[in-house]
Amino acid sequence: KAGVTQTPRYLIKTRGQQVTLSCSPISGHRSVSWYQQTPGQGLQFLFEYFSETQRNKGNFPGRFSGRQFSNSRSEMNVSTLELGDSALYLCASSLALAGGGFPTNYGYTFGSGTRLTVV
Amino acid sequence: AQSVAQPEDQVNVAEGNPLTVKCTYSVSGNPYLFWYVQYPNRGLQFLLKYITGDNLVKGSYGFEAEFNKSQTSFHLKKPSALVSDSALYFCAVIDDYKLSFGAGTTVTVRA
Repeated sequence: KAGVTQTPRYLIKTRGQQVTLSCSPISGHRSVSWYQQTPGQGLQFLFEYFSETQRNKGNFPGRFSGRQFSNSRSEMNVSTLELGDSALYLCASSLALAGGGFPTNYGYTFGSGTRLTVV
Repeated sequence: AQSVAQPEDQVNVAEGNPLTVKCTYSVSGNPYLFWYVQYPNRGLQFLLKYITGDNLVKGSYGFEAEFNKSQTSFHLKKPSALVSDSALYFCAVIDDYKLSFGAGTTVTVRA
């Protein structure tokens, strides 16, 4: 089956611009989460969506936002880009349950990421 | 909050030797632990997980990990390392609908 698809793979933006990244989860997965990876801060959680509802949000400024559509595809948006937003942005989909439980085949599958460079 | 720690930034081993990447956890309740590997400019690839059951977990590419409750550890092991195992390895724990990752350990396997 198809994996997690993130588009675009690479992106170069100028400070002050905004950017939208897309993530298509594995078919049947209703949970999508986003992570930022930088050399200095490592892997940091941005937010998680389940059936179009944000269930958890990381410690990022309000410039970072996201949403999930009825087909489980998700987008994240970063407005007023700063140099420090340069990072690899990873999306993960999972078979999370509505009540927060974990099925035995529970796991997170990651996409290849979007490499964002802010100049 | 649940967390994991990877005490070693780098691990260097010779090909054919055993490989161990260390991870300790701090959780309240039952931990759900994962290991991922990352190759340059790629996403994270799942290796194995501990949810419940046997303390010895076998995963992909010949890797295994042992869940040790008394030592709060979940070390990743491979009996005989390959040059192709050179990569960045992350331990992670589920915490409130998200994964909390360790800082990562760079593994270099020399021929």
